[in-house]
Amino acid sequence: GAGVSQTPSNKVTEKGKYVELRCDPISGHTALYWYRQSLGQGPEFLIYFQGTGAADDSGLPNDRFFAVRPEGSVSTLKIQRTERGDSAVYLCASSSRRSYIYEQYFGPGTRLTVT
Amino acid sequence: GEDVEQSLFLSVREGDSSVINCTYTDSSSTYLYWYKQEPGAGLQLLTYIFSNMDMKQDQRLTVLLNKKDKHLSLRIADTQTGDSAIYFCAESGSSNTGKLIFGQGTTLQVKP
Repeated sequence: GAGVSQTPSNKVTEKGKYVELRCDPISGHTALYWYRQSLGQGPEFLIYFQGTGAADDSGLPNDRFFAVRPEGSVSTLKIQRTERGDSAVYLCASSSRRSYIYEQYFGPGTRLTVT
Repeated sequence: GEDVEQSLFLSVREGDSSVINCTYTDSSSTYLYWYKQEPGAGLQLLTYIFSNMDMKQDQRLTVLLNKKDKHLSLRIADTQTGDSAIYFCAESGSSNTGKLIFGQGTTLQVKP
């Protein structure tokens, strides 16, 4: 079946602009995660959704970052007033609650470059 | 706090065994994971181990867990050039949400 998809694959924006990154999880997966991966680093947790609600947003770096999942499927990560330090690959993952090991299936990521 | 440390680079010859090491800090982690990242591809779960186990074998992969020292290792037997990738160790931490805390990744280079 289809895996996790993310759009766009690449996004270049100017400092100060607003961006939206989209994630389509695997159908039926109730858990959705956003991570950020900077060059040469491992993924860093941002936010976790169970269904429509954000169950853990402790990884969001500041109030410029916000994410929604209004219907419990597609999620959008929104970044306001982008800064050069926001440049990274943003990864989305989904998981089935039936998976007791919380196996997460990752999308290919969106590479965000802030100039 | 939660922290995961890995060595950054490992180079081996094709056919040799590779051992990638990881240390973690959160002793309450229920599961520990190894993920693989190839260029242009998403992160892929390779294997995992439950925290009350010492060892898990899965074909060419062997995971060893020393819970006392908070040390995890991944051994790849008969390493192939197709195993060249970045390998990430991850822990589930004290959270029950499934969020993962990743190490910075070990680049495995396999020379023919």
